[in-house]
Amino acid sequence: AQTVTQSQPEMSVQEAETVTLSCTYDTSENNYYLFWYKQPPSRQMILVIRQEAYKQQNATENRFSVNFQKAAKSFSLKISDSQLGDTAMYFCAFMKHDNNDMRFGAGTRLTVKP
Amino acid sequence: EAQVTQNPRYLITVTGKKLTVTCSQNMNHEYMSWYRQDPGLGLRQIYYSMNVEVTDKGDVPEGYKVSRKEKRNFPLILESPSPNQTSLYFCASSSWGNQPQHFGDGTRLSIL
Repeated sequence: AQTVTQSQPEMSVQEAETVTLSCTYDTSENNYYLFWYKQPPSRQMILVIRQEAYKQQNATENRFSVNFQKAAKSFSLKISDSQLGDTAMYFCAFMKHDNNDMRFGAGTRLTVKP
Repeated sequence: EAQVTQNPRYLITVTGKKLTVTCSQNMNHEYMSWYRQDPGLGLRQIYYSMNVEVTDKGDVPEGYKVSRKEKRNFPLILESPSPNQTSLYFCASSSWGNQPQHFGDGTRLSIL
């Protein structure tokens, strides 16, 4: 079974600075998908970014980018120019290519300080 | 507006009193799933459904039931709730093709 590990339960960053959230996963699959979801205090689950394992290029969405290291099974999220609205719980998730089941990490609580 | 709707948003009840959390999606998605979220554990899958009349157990199915009689609805049933089922519950849906899941706004259940 696939497992997803987020080793940083809590992190903080000053507004306008850059922060990186870590995620590692364990799988024997070659084709899969990785996601980062954001959960603000409103508790909605919001998709931040998605990466296909077969793509070598790292995904980017505005201030959010990933560092995908397939051999190391690592999928970190970088948030640039952090904003107060980025304060949230962030979940890393894994999906196999042949079904829609997702496996989530335990989450990292990020606080952006003014 | 494309959305996944869960009801109720909050519920406090007592041990043993049957309850149902409804979930409905308006995106014609084939796949639907239920998760529970607990501190330090992230989201864990309870049950999922790949299409009408097709359901299967996730990682933590004990104490829960589901049904998928219509494509848009996927209710979660707790026949005899217990305090260890106090949690935040999410319903999600997606279309096929490894599309990311769309989540409802969550249901906070407290079982006393």
